[in-house]
Amino acid sequence: DSGVTQTPKHLITATGQRVTLRCSPRSGDLSVYWYQQSLDQGLQFLIQYYNGEERAKGNILERFSAQQFPDLHSELNLSSLELGDSALYFCASSPPGTPSYNEQFFGPGTRLTVL
Amino acid sequence: AQSVTQPDIHITVSEGASLELRCNYSYGATPYLFWYVQSPGQGLQLLLKYFSGDTLVQGIKGFEAEFKRSQSSFNLRKPSVHWSDAAEYFCAVGARAAGNKLTFGGGTRVLVKP
Repeated sequence: DSGVTQTPKHLITATGQRVTLRCSPRSGDLSVYWYQQSLDQGLQFLIQYYNGEERAKGNILERFSAQQFPDLHSELNLSSLELGDSALYFCASSPPGTPSYNEQFFGPGTRLTVL
Repeated sequence: AQSVTQPDIHITVSEGASLELRCNYSYGATPYLFWYVQSPGQGLQLLLKYFSGDTLVQGIKGFEAEFKRSQSSFNLRKPSVHWSDAAEYFCAVGARAAGNKLTFGGGTRVLVKP
């Protein structure tokens, strides 16, 4: 158990819908990262927040957005869902300070299935 | 841009035999390097990391990895594999900069024969 929690564990929805994935980082960690794991794209970085502010963006679609709240939990919002958005979505967190800032601890993931 | 290559998609090894997983990276400076393991239906667990210093790093579960700058490699090894080591292994490189995203290789699936 990494200490990072993600809810829900599984999500099944239809095309065109909107869903919200939630992540709580480890106690004391200020950074939250979101990754997508799919069969064709592998593990890809989506976005990072540090203490409430967006820090870095990867290959995140415009239909996707995220935020980090004052209590440091984060939400990833996926809208206008397509079949290709079906994937495992991971959240990770890392502690402040280098080099530990670079060590990311992953949650168990949310498996999204779009039908 | 940083990238990671894991040349072996699948490796089958007998229980008790040694294991080596290859990882090559591309990065403009000295990177931070990681190996993660993912068991079926599970999240990613950090096996070991390299930040600086000794190029041979020890990790959990009896794994070790060696950073070779000249070869841009960070291969993972285990002297004697257990059936519980069957999983998918990912090598990752992290940027030494703000906004430290991890770039992952495609993964190597390890099957352990009894």
